[in-house]
Amino acid sequence: KAGVTQTPRYLIKTRGQQVTLSCSPISGHRSVSWYQQTPGQGLQFLFEYFSETQRNKGNFPGRFSGRQFSNSRSEMNVSTLELGDSALYLCASSLIPGQSEKLFFGSGTQLSVL
Amino acid sequence: GIQVEQSPPDLILQEGANSTLRCNFSDSVNNLQWFHQNPWGQLINLFYIPSGTKQNGRLSATTVATERYSLLYISSSQTTDSGVYFCAVGYSGTYKYIFGTGTRLKVLA
Repeated sequence: KAGVTQTPRYLIKTRGQQVTLSCSPISGHRSVSWYQQTPGQGLQFLFEYFSETQRNKGNFPGRFSGRQFSNSRSEMNVSTLELGDSALYLCASSLIPGQSEKLFFGSGTQLSVL
Repeated sequence: GIQVEQSPPDLILQEGANSTLRCNFSDSVNNLQWFHQNPWGQLINLFYIPSGTKQNGRLSATTVATERYSLLYISSSQTTDSGVYFCAVGYSGTYKYIFGTGTRLKVLA
């Protein structure tokens, strides 16, 4: 069974641009969540989706948005990029639409904003 | 909000040694997981352990939810155990996890 797939693996953008990251969960998993990892702030929750609905959002500005498609694949978008958005963006999926289940993470997308 | 503290922040071991990593959290939680982030950035789920004790090979974990801590034991450490270990806690119905700051482990051959 394939794991969580994130694309692209690396991305370089300049300030002011926008970016879209993609996440395909493990087959059969319907909950997808996103986390941002930086050296200064550690791992921080961005948002979680189930059945195309965002059920929770972390404390990030409105420039960060996401969506989930009917096949459970998810995308996140960051508009008007800032230098501080440089980070490893990690997507996780889980089988059961609650939290009583293991999270499985993808390899992440390393975003560099110049 | 809930605070999650891990100790020690850094740990260096010789291959074959045992270690205990600790995770303290400031409020009652329903869910707790341990992860290992390898040097390539991949987060691997080690345990889902909201309470009790579990073992998987050389690794075991214990969570005492009423006392708000969890322990991860690594026995007979190997160089491949190097990386950062995170605990993450969550409340049912919030669909999010709060991660600790991690313990960076280096195992020397």
